[in-house]
Amino acid sequence: DGGITQSPKYLFRKEGQNVTLSCEQNLNHDAMYWYRQDPGQGLRLIYYSQIVNDFQKGDIAEGYSVSREKKESFPLTVTSAQKNPTAFYLCASSIGQGSTDTQYFGPGTRLTVL
Amino acid sequence: AQSVAQPEDQVNVAEGNPLTVKCTYSVSGNPYLFWYVQYPNRGLQFLLKYITGDNLVKGSYGFEAEFNKSQTSFHLKKPSALVSDSALYFCAVRDMSNQGGKLIFGQGTELSVKP
Repeated sequence: DGGITQSPKYLFRKEGQNVTLSCEQNLNHDAMYWYRQDPGQGLRLIYYSQIVNDFQKGDIAEGYSVSREKKESFPLTVTSAQKNPTAFYLCASSIGQGSTDTQYFGPGTRLTVL
Repeated sequence: AQSVAQPEDQVNVAEGNPLTVKCTYSVSGNPYLFWYVQYPNRGLQFLLKYITGDNLVKGSYGFEAEFNKSQTSFHLKKPSALVSDSALYFCAVRDMSNQGGKLIFGQGTELSVKP
């Protein structure tokens, strides 16, 4: 997990609330990603960012939003429009988006909707 | 479309025995393949990757993977399993066709090593 921090580790949300998950990296990586993990499934891409002030939707972006104002930071907001937000959220980064670039993952945030 | 399959939800191995976790892939173009391990309530840890060259790739913690182009497989192996290897293992392929080279993951294989 080294170099990528996510907070909080556990997060509880009431229905109708927006919540923001933090992701910070000190690896000087350009590219950052958000994935969602559900039991028995692989990870699915929510959003990604290739560079500061730019980000793109992934496969399951509906109900989520992101920003990339600083190279080190890529926060994810889970909005009330996300119908089933209970999941484990993983942030990743890589030096670039080349084919050989390895993505490194943070420790994750477990979000539960009450 | 690019895809990855891990045909076994769970693999059980006795400590000291060799282990294999299977992965098959489907890609157009050159395959860029990765293995990650996840311990409970933790993020994914990178184990190894295949880009090109030698079909046997060595990685962290004594793991290795064999790339087989004709069988479109990239199985993860270890000669002698440890109880501490028990975890969830993910195979992934890099999709260079769109979405910033995202990783496409298999559904994961739960490895259980018994003493």
